[in-house]
Amino acid sequence: DVKVTQSSRYLVKRTGEKVFLECVQDMDHENMFWYRQDPGLGLRLIYFSYDVKMKEKGDIPEGYSVSREKKERFSLILESASTNQTSMYLCASSSGVGAPGTQYFGPGTRLLVL
Amino acid sequence: KQEVTQIPAALSVPEGENLVLNCSFTDSAIYNLQWFRQDPGKGLTSLLLIQSSQREQTSGRLNASLDKSSGRSTLYIAASQPGDSATYLCAVTNTNAGKSTFGDGTTLTVKP
Repeated sequence: DVKVTQSSRYLVKRTGEKVFLECVQDMDHENMFWYRQDPGLGLRLIYFSYDVKMKEKGDIPEGYSVSREKKERFSLILESASTNQTSMYLCASSSGVGAPGTQYFGPGTRLLVL
Repeated sequence: KQEVTQIPAALSVPEGENLVLNCSFTDSAIYNLQWFRQDPGKGLTSLLLIQSSQREQTSGRLNASLDKSSGRSTLYIAASQPGDSATYLCAVTNTNAGKSTFGDGTTLTVKP
């Protein structure tokens, strides 16, 4: 079974803190994604990566950065957390650059910024 | 810009009923379309993936169809059960790197 794991299920941080969310997949997938999900706004893509050290902005990259030093790991960084970044964060991975396959999601990290 | 719409936003049915969930998209230049299930507070679970060259996919009581020319997909659930209660999302993959656009979902409640 494909497994996508996220470092924390719940996280509470203070405004201005630097926050790291980690995502690891075990299927040697080329593509990895970070989304946030908010009531009434649906799932929105923050960043994605199609190879090691490669990244592209999604629809809402402001206030976030990412790192992909190894194929299996994709990190989302909140440089200076703000209350409007309180959300559910979901990581996903898929195979096949050129022929994208099924997206597999992690369990999510619910982040509260106070 | 791709837009994905799911109708209805919510649906309540008695157990045993067959039902159809709808997904429409504005740009037919897609790589694939995927249906997901999400339980409250959890991540998304993949149900079915339909490649752009395919017309339908089946898994157990689920059948998904794709009509690219009209920009529509349906998810058919046969003999619904209370355990099917969840939010169902469709996602359209627009680029060869797998970037997808999601609908807002249909929240299904199956009453015993």
